[in-house]
Amino acid sequence: LAKTTQPISMDSYEGQEVNITCSHNNIATNDYITWYQQFPSQGPRFIIQGYKTKVTNEVASLFIPADRKSSTLSLPRVSLSDTAVYYCLVGDMRKLIFGQGTELSVKP
Amino acid sequence: GAVVSQHPSWVICKSGTSVKIECRSLDFQATTMFWYRQFPKQSLMLMATSNEGSKATYEQGVEKDKFLINHASLTLSTLTVTSAHPEDSSFYICSASRGRDRNTIYFGEGSWLTVV
Repeated sequence: LAKTTQPISMDSYEGQEVNITCSHNNIATNDYITWYQQFPSQGPRFIIQGYKTKVTNEVASLFIPADRKSSTLSLPRVSLSDTAVYYCLVGDMRKLIFGQGTELSVKP
Repeated sequence: GAVVSQHPSWVICKSGTSVKIECRSLDFQATTMFWYRQFPKQSLMLMATSNEGSKATYEQGVEKDKFLINHASLTLSTLTVTSAHPEDSSFYICSASRGRDRNTIYFGEGSWLTVV
């Protein structure tokens, strides 16, 4: 299972775009990149998943370069309710190992 | 989306007693369920993986005799913390996998255990 490295924390303001980058240098060929969001005292919630290039859904975009050794979660126009911990996970979805995550704080 | 439910949401028990936490997949059959624990301000730590009808696979350092996991059906897995001690107080989270396809791991709401 590939190890991931993310910034421990990030600050932003309402309405800004937030980009959180995750490094996963030893990603395997079969591994997907998945991002989860967790609020205090709740289970993680799926945000987005990708394998290569770019994936976009109604809440976020995921950018993956050709070498797949990193990925960037992009949250457009964040609001106060986006304050949470964001986890980047890499694997084949048979088992999810969580890294430290990024604590995003959105300020008014 | 798929729903995974945990019960109870929170529980307080006396030191030395056992407590059971249930994890149910409400609208799909879960071939695999996972149990995590999370201490305040820390990440989720995988405790064990359970497959329906077989013994759970525990992660290194997790005592299988203390944390009993039963996955008796495709919709229910239980975690029993035996002879609980205050240091077992934590947030326990389960997740369920519908299969090997991507996007198919769903998490429960979590259960707070406080041992007094």
